[in-house]
Amino acid sequence: DVKVTQSSRYLVKRTGEKVFLECVQDMDHENMFWYRQDPGLGLRLIYFSYDVKMKEKGDIPEGYSVSREKKERFSLILESASTNQTSMYLCASSLSAAGGNIQYFGAGTRLSVL
Amino acid sequence: EDKVVQSPLSLVVHEGDTVTLNCSYEVTNFRSLLWYKQEKKAPTFLFMLTSSGIEKKSGRLSSILDKKELSSILNITATQTGDSAIYLCAVPGLYNNNDMRFGAGTRLTVKP
Repeated sequence: DVKVTQSSRYLVKRTGEKVFLECVQDMDHENMFWYRQDPGLGLRLIYFSYDVKMKEKGDIPEGYSVSREKKERFSLILESASTNQTSMYLCASSLSAAGGNIQYFGAGTRLSVL
Repeated sequence: EDKVVQSPLSLVVHEGDTVTLNCSYEVTNFRSLLWYKQEKKAPTFLFMLTSSGIEKKSGRLSSILDKKELSSILNITATQTGDSAIYLCAVPGLYNNNDMRFGAGTRLTVKP
């Protein structure tokens, strides 16, 4: 059974803190993604990775960085958390395939920055 | 700019009702359209549509793509409280399949 696991369901941090969100998939997928989800805005892509140590910026990369040292793990880093980064963060993974990839999602991390 | 628009943004119905959710898109080089259901956790995949006019069905849920109208509908018949969720529509974007464009979602609430 397909599984994407995010390390925390809920997280509360203070402004200026460095925050790590971890995501692990057990499906040997090449592609991994980080989205944030805000009411009325849908899912917006922050970064994605199509291979180990490879990364591409999505629509809203500012204030974020990522790390992919192993195929199964993709980390999202908030270098200095700000209140406007309070959001639901979703990790996803997919195989590389033509015609439209089905992305499999983790349960999400609800981050509050105070 | 690639765009995916869903309507309505929210919908409240009673058990047994039939609902139709809409998704319209503007993308260059259309390849496919995907529907997901999101309850209080991970979005789960429902359908992937690539061909116009061919209905995909799973139980009480069905979906169809209209490439002429650049849109898709998701139908749910005989709704149940367990259908309450956010329904997301997504389309791969301009550059590659990784560039997935999501709509804002339709929040469906089914009351007993």
